[in-house]
Amino acid sequence: GENVEQHPSTLSVQEGDSAVIKCTYSDSASNYFPWYKQELGKRPQLIIDIRSNVGEKKDQRIAVTLNKTAKHFSLHITETQPEDSAVYFCAASRNFNKFYFGSGTKLNVKP
Amino acid sequence: DSGVTQTPKHLITATGQRVTLRCSPRSGDLSVYWYQQSLDQGLQFLIQYYNGEERAKGNILERFSAQQFPDLHSELNLSSLELGDSALYFCASSIIAGGPVEQFFGPGTRLTVL
Repeated sequence: GENVEQHPSTLSVQEGDSAVIKCTYSDSASNYFPWYKQELGKRPQLIIDIRSNVGEKKDQRIAVTLNKTAKHFSLHITETQPEDSAVYFCAASRNFNKFYFGSGTKLNVKP
Repeated sequence: DSGVTQTPKHLITATGQRVTLRCSPRSGDLSVYWYQQSLDQGLQFLIQYYNGEERAKGNILERFSAQQFPDLHSELNLSSLELGDSALYFCASSIIAGGPVEQFFGPGTRLTVL
């Protein structure tokens, strides 16, 4: 089955700096890669996603890049704000059925 | 509020017992997914249903079973509970299975096995 690895497990940045979280996957047939944000005690919420036919997608301060050859994808958050502090999960899916999640990155944005 | 509801919110039980977790998807959503999130861990995909039929299976133990009813709500049954089953159980729903449609997560059921 699919194996998704996520790094780093914790990330601390100063407000205004950029944050980058990286994930690798093992199944070359995976074709959908969402990113979720989970605040403490709350449900995961989708923040951005990318399909395998696209190399990059941007939504305001958030961007995701995908390298299919290397089987890795990354989340980029620019101009970080304290409210960006949360746990971020990457996931990989083949045809939107099974979803395999990374182990999460705890992002701390220091004011 | 995502529109996905889960009951109960908290559940405390003993080893060896059986419990049922319930999920009501968003209005119009046909697909339901179940996930397990252990303490400080990622989300483990358990199982997916689409319009009453099992669609995909993940790392779901044989002690666990699920079903989706004609009204599209879903139940996850956990039996012969062990301490290690203590976790947050989420369900999520989406409009269709397959297709770039967002999964909306419910608030979760926190299961504690003593």
